[in-house]
Amino acid sequence: DTAVSQTPKYLVTQMGNDKSIKCEQNLGHDTMYWYKQDSKKFLKIMFSYNNKELIINETVPNRFSPKSPDKAHLNLHINSLELGDSAVYFCASSGQGAYEQYFGPGTRLTVT
Amino acid sequence: QKEVEQNSGPLSVPEGAIASLNCTYSDRVSQSFFWYRQYSGKSPELIMSIYSNGDKEDGRFTAQLNKASQYVSLLIRDSQPSDSATYLCAVGKDFGNEKLTFGTGTRLTIIP
Repeated sequence: DTAVSQTPKYLVTQMGNDKSIKCEQNLGHDTMYWYKQDSKKFLKIMFSYNNKELIINETVPNRFSPKSPDKAHLNLHINSLELGDSAVYFCASSGQGAYEQYFGPGTRLTVT
Repeated sequence: QKEVEQNSGPLSVPEGAIASLNCTYSDRVSQSFFWYRQYSGKSPELIMSIYSNGDKEDGRFTAQLNKASQYVSLLIRDSQPSDSATYLCAVGKDFGNEKLTFGTGTRLTIIP
């Protein structure tokens, strides 16, 4: 069984559209994250939720809004997509009192 | 100065030799250190974590941490072609803050 899953795997859309990416983990972890990996492969954290509470909110345009309906799910909604949003978005999770993070397969977003 | 620095490579190592990957970090309060392996088009996969000065061994992998020098390394013994990947160093600032800062990665190629 997949530990951290994301949907969709690929997302191609036009500038100005709104899109969502979903993440689910079945590891029983309390903390979930969204990362962005750009074309140069630099991986940077965007948000983190612990038990549905936002704990990390990096300098990200407010067009990006995370939502955690429960501790096993973390979604990312992006409004008014721009060309610069094209990247691979990874979801990750970590357990209570543990600092190892486990990544999902990623969602490759292409904005045209 | 970047928070986490790695030589981008590519680093080419003959099959069967030891591959040595290095990482330096700038924040002295950093407490947790991780090595992730990322194959092209795939997600980062955690291979080692280390929290205390010294060496930590797991199979063919050894992580080394020197907090005084702000240096962490990964040694891969008996390198195999399947070890060819990008290796990402990640650093956590303090326990209770799960934010990880990643280096830009070192691309390793094992030559058969």
